[in-house]
Amino acid sequence: QKEVEQDPGPLSVPEGAIVSLNCTYSNSAFQYFMWYRQYSRKGPELLMYTYSSGNKEDGRFTAQVDKSSKYISLFIRDSQPSDSATYLCAMLLGGYSTLTFGKGTMLLVSP
Amino acid sequence: GAVVSQHPSWVICKSGTSVKIECRSLDFQATTMFWYRQFPKQSLMLMATSNEGSKATYEQGVEKDKFLINHASLTLSTLTVTSAHPEDSSFYICSAPRGINSPLHFGNGTRLTVT
Repeated sequence: QKEVEQDPGPLSVPEGAIVSLNCTYSNSAFQYFMWYRQYSRKGPELLMYTYSSGNKEDGRFTAQVDKSSKYISLFIRDSQPSDSATYLCAMLLGGYSTLTFGKGTMLLVSP
Repeated sequence: GAVVSQHPSWVICKSGTSVKIECRSLDFQATTMFWYRQFPKQSLMLMATSNEGSKATYEQGVEKDKFLINHASLTLSTLTVTSAHPEDSSFYICSAPRGINSPLHFGNGTRLTVT
């Protein structure tokens, strides 16, 4: 079983839709959870960073962490064509440890 | 704005030559930086951890003599691809955390093409 599982997609939605992206993980020692957005041929851009279970909202983005189920989600409201990108979940044990990434989900938002 | 700057963004070189990629933290000191490699439509693969003032730590299967890493200051790490071959063509990305327990901030990557 891989440490982090993420559906690669592609996920295609119409403009204005609510998008749900998910990752599951197996290592209960992960403490910090991130979502990155990566456009083609660009470096990943940090979208959300959470520590505890629960929800964190930033504009159209909501990150949700359920540590008991080892499940994290990213919701995008009112999706826009500019949201079309690959979304990577990532997890951190703590300290200066390396991130463990999911494989990324490609999202396509059509006008 | 960007907190990690990477240069160059794109480089083409001939087989057998060496290429240096620079990674700078812009408004913070980074004792640790990470170098990743990414093939098309694949996720990030960690190559090595760059530590200021000491030797880099390489992941299994990454040739340390081929991918030379130097972290000479708290804001600069460099990756040199030595004697490059076409199979080294890839997208190289550096990253750094602002501090302990912090997420990584990534540079915009360097696309290397070896002809």
